[in-house]
Amino acid sequence: AQKITQTQPGMFVQEKEAVTLDCTYDTSDQSYGLFWYKQPSSGEMIFLIYQGSYDEQNATEGRYSLNFQKARKSANLVISASQLGDSAMYFCAMREAFQGAQKLVFGQGTRLTINP
Amino acid sequence: NAGVMQNPRHLVRRRGQEARLRCSPMKGHSHVYWYRQLPEEGLKFMVYLQKENIIDESGMPKERFSAEFPKEGPSILRIQQVVRGDSAAYFCASSPTGGGDQPQHFGDGTRLSIL
Repeated sequence: AQKITQTQPGMFVQEKEAVTLDCTYDTSDQSYGLFWYKQPSSGEMIFLIYQGSYDEQNATEGRYSLNFQKARKSANLVISASQLGDSAMYFCAMREAFQGAQKLVFGQGTRLTINP
Repeated sequence: NAGVMQNPRHLVRRRGQEARLRCSPMKGHSHVYWYRQLPEEGLKFMVYLQKENIIDESGMPKERFSAEFPKEGPSILRIQQVVRGDSAAYFCASSPTGGGDQPQHFGDGTRLSIL
C-alpha cells in the first residue's frame, strides 16, 4: 500500500523567508505522480504543483518548487519569499499512474504560519 | 471557466436522516472523485467514477454510502441513516482524463454536521 508521510505538523516562518515542507513517500510502483495542495482556513483545496516519477527535472510553478529526490523517496515543497497569504495547511499526495487506480493518497498535512 | 461546483456548502442533518451531496465537475471533465476529510486530517479517498460507471469504490464504507455519476447531471454522494461519525468535510474532485499528469481539481467541499 502506498503511504505519504509529512513529519512537520506545524511550521512558523518569518515573512519573505524561504520555507521547505517535507514529504516522503513509500511505493513499490515505478510509475507514480506526486502533488502538493494548499488548504487555507476557508477550506478549499488548491492545486500547487505536480511531479511525475519519470520527470528528470524538478517541477517549478512561480514561487513553488518541488525538490524531488527519487532515491530517497522524498518530494519536498519549497516556497520562496514567503508571504502572509501562504499561511495554510499543505498536503502532499501521491497517485498511482496506471489505469483504473486514480485515487490520491494524502499525508496528514503541515500547518504553515507566516509571521509578519 | 467554472471550477468544480459542490453544493450545499454546509449541510446539517439529524441522526437517521439522509444526506445528498452534489458535485458538478469542471467543463470537459468526465472523471470524478470523492474524498472525506475529518478534522485535522488529510483527505481519504472514497470513490472514483466516470460517466455512468463506478471505477474504484475501495474507500467507500460498505453500508449506507453510495455514489453515482449519471449521464446527465451532477455526481451524487448519498449517505443514508447518517450517524455522528459521518460528520466531516466531503470533497469532490475532477480531471479531464484518468491518467498522465492531470491534476485533480477540487471543489470547495461540503461540510456535513450531524446533530
